[in-house]
Amino acid sequence: GESVGLHLPTLSVQEGDNSIINCAYSNSASDYFIWYKQESGKGPQFIIDIRSNMDKRQGQRVTVLLNKTVKHLSLQIAATQPGDSAVYFCAENKGGADGLTFGKGTHLIIQP
Amino acid sequence: DGGITQSPKYLFRKEGQNVTLSCEQNLNHDAMYWYRQDPGQGLRLIYYSQIVNDFQKGDIAEGYSVSREKKESFPLTVTSAQKNPTAFYLCASNRAGPYYGYTFGSGTRLTVV
Repeated sequence: GESVGLHLPTLSVQEGDNSIINCAYSNSASDYFIWYKQESGKGPQFIIDIRSNMDKRQGQRVTVLLNKTVKHLSLQIAATQPGDSAVYFCAENKGGADGLTFGKGTHLIIQP
Repeated sequence: DGGITQSPKYLFRKEGQNVTLSCEQNLNHDAMYWYRQDPGQGLRLIYYSQIVNDFQKGDIAEGYSVSREKKESFPLTVTSAQKNPTAFYLCASNRAGPYYGYTFGSGTRLTVV
């Protein structure tokens, strides 16, 4: 069954504000996590990843935080822009041959 | 540029008809996957293949079939046994190993008419 979930199906933020998208996972053995961005009608695109031996990883305008104690993953987007509007999925690798397990996604809506 | 190509982008199926969705990658990836996505839902695994000539059922394999005769290709057939095939289908691939994410195709939207 699904072991990765997101707290909110929809998140609305003002343009220019910072966005935080959350994800909870249930498998403590998972050792690799990824955030994907999916625009309408397109395939998901890789944003950033993190291994379980790290707590934080930064990219361009994005930061992923991993809290293994409470099995929580978050994606922070700085200075949100209209082009950030999309559905964001977290995914975990539990080490099985069947690859990544995905959550249902959070739809990020940017208000002008 | 390397990538993963799905075709067609849109596909219409009549009741009782089998249709095949194409997925081709030139990334030299060993593993390939098919997912189904319904509106407002996450990705559900249909089939996956770790090597040529081998594939495994995912969580929702009933009514679908696949083949992996070449490393580059992993076609998905939606059979007439799939009672609710209208969905967005995504193909993905990655390198073997635990720390590689997926590269996704652009998807095929299948509609039953």
